[in-house]
Amino acid sequence: DAKTTQPPSMDCAEGRAANLPCNHSTISGNEYVYWYRQIHSQGPQYIIHGLKNNETNEMASLIITEDRKSSTLILPHATLRDTAVYYCIVRGVTGGGNKLTFGTGTQLKVEL
Amino acid sequence: DTAVSQTPKYLVTQMGNDKSIKCEQNLGHDTMYWYKQDSKKFLKIMFSYNNKELIINETVPNRFSPKSPDKAHLNLHINSLELGDSAVYFCASTLLGGITTNEKLFFGSGTQLSVL
Repeated sequence: DAKTTQPPSMDCAEGRAANLPCNHSTISGNEYVYWYRQIHSQGPQYIIHGLKNNETNEMASLIITEDRKSSTLILPHATLRDTAVYYCIVRGVTGGGNKLTFGTGTQLKVEL
Repeated sequence: DTAVSQTPKYLVTQMGNDKSIKCEQNLGHDTMYWYKQDSKKFLKIMFSYNNKELIINETVPNRFSPKSPDKAHLNLHINSLELGDSAVYFCASTLLGGITTNEKLFFGSGTQLSVL
């Protein structure tokens, strides 16, 4: 599975959009981009995933560049409850179970 | 109702002891997992069971033995606990389990294991 690079930390003002970048320059054609987050003392929570088209759900939007070498997770109106570690993961279509490999992620701090 | 629940939340024990962590999911999922999160916050998969059958074993010491009595339960038994086993252990589940990657992992809230 391709490796990802994320900034270790970011700050965001409450109510503003949080844009979390992820580089995955070695991604291959059949690998999806997944985003999870982990709020302190909780288990990771699925946010969104995509292959090449931009995706949006009730939690966030995922923008994937045309060459697929990077992506951005957008939280349109960040709240204090969005403070968490955000993980960007790439995963290909193979058998043998859902073996997502989590990196170190980005610690997002949302402040007043 | 908690979708993936694990007990206990905290476990403090002495080196050499044997302990178990239990996990249950009420989502009707076929596949369950154990992940380990170490002190540096790296989250790594340990095991995966699909409908009671082991499908992933990530070179975990054989002191760790998962047991799945039915597809809604996956317990983790650890023999002869060592200091390095101290970590947060997360149970998770997916609907089908690796047949496609278009699946969300649902995690429990974790068990903080401290070995003294």
